[in-house]
Amino acid sequence: SQTIHQWPATLVQPVGSPLSLECTVEGTSNPNLYWYRQAAGRGLQLLFYSVGIGQISSEVPQNLSASRPQDRQFILSSKKLLLSDSGFYLCAWSERPHQFFGPGTRLTVL
Amino acid sequence: QKEVEQNSGPLSVPEGAIASLNCTYSDRGSQSFFWYRQYSGKSPELIMFIYSNGDKEDGRFTAQLNKASQYVSLLIRDSQPSDSATYLCAVNPEYSSASKIIFGSGTRLSIRP
Repeated sequence: SQTIHQWPATLVQPVGSPLSLECTVEGTSNPNLYWYRQAAGRGLQLLFYSVGIGQISSEVPQNLSASRPQDRQFILSSKKLLLSDSGFYLCAWSERPHQFFGPGTRLTVL
Repeated sequence: QKEVEQNSGPLSVPEGAIASLNCTYSDRGSQSFFWYRQYSGKSPELIMFIYSNGDKEDGRFTAQLNKASQYVSLLIRDSQPSDSATYLCAVNPEYSSASKIIFGSGTRLSIRP
């Protein structure tokens, strides 16, 4: 069966610091992968999606970036965090048309 | 107009009653519809999906779809305290590539004992 991992589970970072969140999927090959952000009390905002290695599509302009160095690895990065980057970051994989979420990373930027 | 709209709630339902959650969507060509349950501090969990007009039942859950009215609902029978969560409606629009899904902002459901 498929499993999706995210780390770290929680993160507290100062404004202006870099960020790297990692997501890996097991038990499937060539999945579509997604990064979402959920601000407190808000819905899910799609940030990036990827249909294959090195293929990244950005949904909203921001200071975040994503990379997919391996088939089942998806990384979310920032060079300099903003206060507004705080939120719950969720990675998801797709078995068309369904999406399944990882456990998430709660990021607090101070 | 938001692409997927839900009443934010909270919706308070007594234990054992039927909880009814509603969702409307704007893209008339949408083909796939989903309900996710999200407990506080946790990630969303897919609980129901429906593709065709009508009802789809799974245990205590029934999803209802009316494409003419662009309306999706989720009924939870015999509501339990463990059903207290935020329920997210999600839609796969016709124009979507790569299985992108549009989420509503969620309805918070509270089951009171």
